Amino acid sequence: NAGVTQTPKFQVLKTGQSMTLQCAQDMNHNSMYWYRQDPGMGLRLIYYSASEGTTDKGEVPNGYNVSRLNKREFSLRLESAAPSQTSVYFCATLDPISAQAFFGQGTRLTVV
Amino acid sequence: AQSVAQPEDQVNVAEGNPLTVKCTYSVSGNPYLFWYVQYPNRGLQFLLKYITGDNLVKGSYGFEAEFNKSQTSFHLKKPSALVSDSALYFCAVRALNDYKLSFGAGTTVTVRA
Repeated sequence: NAGVTQTPKFQVLKTGQSMTLQCAQDMNHNSMYWYRQDPGMGLRLIYYSASEGTTDKGEVPNGYNVSRLNKREFSLRLESAAPSQTSVYFCATLDPISAQAFFGQGTRLTVV
Repeated sequence: AQSVAQPEDQVNVAEGNPLTVKCTYSVSGNPYLFWYVQYPNRGLQFLLKYITGDNLVKGSYGFEAEFNKSQTSFHLKKPSALVSDSALYFCAVRALNDYKLSFGAGTTVTVRA
């Protein structure tokens, strides 16, 4: 039982490059989230998906797109990376019974 | 728009002393409130939650939190802090009938021996 798995764990991009961060869960949860964590800013919600087939913008969606491929997978895409997107990205799922969120181990992204 | 405020960037206490980490929130309707902890280079771990019922909730590792509706606060407390409690603590809020989960900026707790 892996829980929430994020790939890759580390990535360095050049400005203007694109990439997709992957998130997969085996917890059978409907709701999934993408956050970025920056020093002094806490966790900021980028996008979330309440259920398969739906996505909604969070607090900082600009420069990102998401795809809820199926119930298990929720990917985050940077079309043209910028240094301001250097951050640690966390994926999370929500257990509807306990209302508790479960987090992946994070992806550390550096844009140079 | 919902939001969470953690007014203290850092809290420093001596081991054995009480620990309090403050949190206030803004949300439409009834809130779900949470505390999470993050150790260095790790993901977030759940500590405790308030959904409904008793305003004082107890969680993992001896932590507790008190929900105060009139002050829209959900402060985290521990009667006797340990050095191992040193970490980054996040408060989070959700509205009862919504899936948007918002976090505060975090409070770094340092417990000195």
